[in-house]
Amino acid sequence: AQSVTQLGSHVSVSEGALVLLRCNYSSSVPPYLFWYVQYPNQGLQLLLKYTTGATLVKGINGFEAEFKKSETSFHLTKPSAHMSDAAEYFCAVRSNTGNLIFGKGTKLSVKP
Amino acid sequence: SQTIHQWPATLVQPVGSPLSLECTVEGTSNPNLYWYRQAAGRGLQLLFYSVGIGQISSEVPQNLSASRPQDRQFILSSKKLLLSDSGFYLCAWHTGANYGYTFGSGTRLTVV
Repeated sequence: AQSVTQLGSHVSVSEGALVLLRCNYSSSVPPYLFWYVQYPNQGLQLLLKYTTGATLVKGINGFEAEFKKSETSFHLTKPSAHMSDAAEYFCAVRSNTGNLIFGKGTKLSVKP
Repeated sequence: SQTIHQWPATLVQPVGSPLSLECTVEGTSNPNLYWYRQAAGRGLQLLFYSVGIGQISSEVPQNLSASRPQDRQFILSSKKLLLSDSGFYLCAWHTGANYGYTFGSGTRLTVV
């Protein structure tokens, strides 16, 4: 069975600092992995996804994530945080049925 | 283009009243459709999903039901709302081709 663990329900960084949001997964098959972002009172928006191929995936808004099979991780990073990055971020893995299994989310706060 | 419509955006309903939330998808056919709920501090909870007309799978026993009367229409209902039904409801769709989900903009339901 597939599962996702997001370490840290809240992460706070200063503007301009590195953003690192952690995601570990469990999957019995080659995983398809996703990061979504949710701004207050809005739906989730796809940031990036990994299916096959290059393990470093670039997404929108300057975010990227690296698939590391040996560590079963798919951490999300951004070199320099902006105030507009404040949101909740969800990691997800595709299950055998095609449905996505989501982590519990990480709220990112950006301090001026 | 493929779009998903969800309405209403906000809803305030008294306890014991009925509920009907509608979600429609455009620009695709035979999508898998999903209803999620976000309650404060509880992440994304999958409520129902549907792989076709009239086919509904329930993930969590509750006071809610779902129906899919047409290929691209997904409805979430309740006969009598409870206070615990308050939350942010999200509809999503995916076809096998894109592997990920596209979410609607959500409905904020407050039961008073």
